[in-house]
Amino acid sequence: DAGVIQSPRHEVTEMGQEVTLRCKPISGHNSLFWYRQTMMRGLELLIYFNNNVPIDDSGMPEDRFSAKMPNASFSTLKIQPSEPRDSAVYFCASIDRGNTEAFFGQGTRLTVV
Amino acid sequence: DAKTTQPTSMDCAEGRAANLPCNHSTISGNEYVYWYRQIHSQGPQYIIHGLKNNETNEMASLIITEDRKSSTLILPHATLRDTAVYYCIVRSFGNEKLTFGTGTRLTIIP
Repeated sequence: DAGVIQSPRHEVTEMGQEVTLRCKPISGHNSLFWYRQTMMRGLELLIYFNNNVPIDDSGMPEDRFSAKMPNASFSTLKIQPSEPRDSAVYFCASIDRGNTEAFFGQGTRLTVV
Repeated sequence: DAKTTQPTSMDCAEGRAANLPCNHSTISGNEYVYWYRQIHSQGPQYIIHGLKNNETNEMASLIITEDRKSSTLILPHATLRDTAVYYCIVRSFGNEKLTFGTGTRLTIIP
C-alpha cells in the first residue's frame, strides 16, 4: 500500500479564495483524522471520521472550515474563505479498527497570502 | 484522556541510549501509553505503545512504572536520524481519538 496520500503537497493561495485539501486513507482503514500544525499551536486535531461519519469536529476552528468523507477512500478539508492565519501544515491520518497505529500522510503545506 | 507532561527538549550523544521520560499521573486503568515521533517536515510516526507491561520492538523499548504514573521511551543506540519531536500520548482502549501535546524535541549530537 502507498500509505496515506495527501494532495496537493503545497498550496499557495490568496486571502479570500477557497482551498480544498484532499486525502486518500489506507485501504481498509475505517477511521480518518485531519490535523493542523503550526509553530504556535502544535498539532491540533480538527475532526475525525469513523466509517465515513464525522464523530468529533470540536477542533474545527470556525464555520469557514468544513470536512467531508463521501466514501471510505476519500476525504476533503475545505476552507472558504481562506485567511492568512490558516497558513499551516495540514495532516491526514488513518487507522484500522483494532489496530493501534495511526498512519499519517506527508501533509499539505498551505500558505495564504 | 489523561494529560501527559514531557520535557521540552533533550540532547543525546550518537550511539548512546536516549531515555525520554513522560509523566501521566492521572492515567486510568483502561488507558494505554503511546509514543509517536515526528521528524522534521514529515507526518508523525508510531513508535510503540503499552498498558502496564514493558514493551520492546525493533524501534524502541517502553518502560512503564508499576503505578503507571510515568513511563520512559528508550532508544537503545541513538543515531542522527532519531533527531525528532517525540510525543507521549495517553489514550483509552477503544477511543480512536489521538491528541498530541507539545512533545520532547530530541537532538542527537554527533
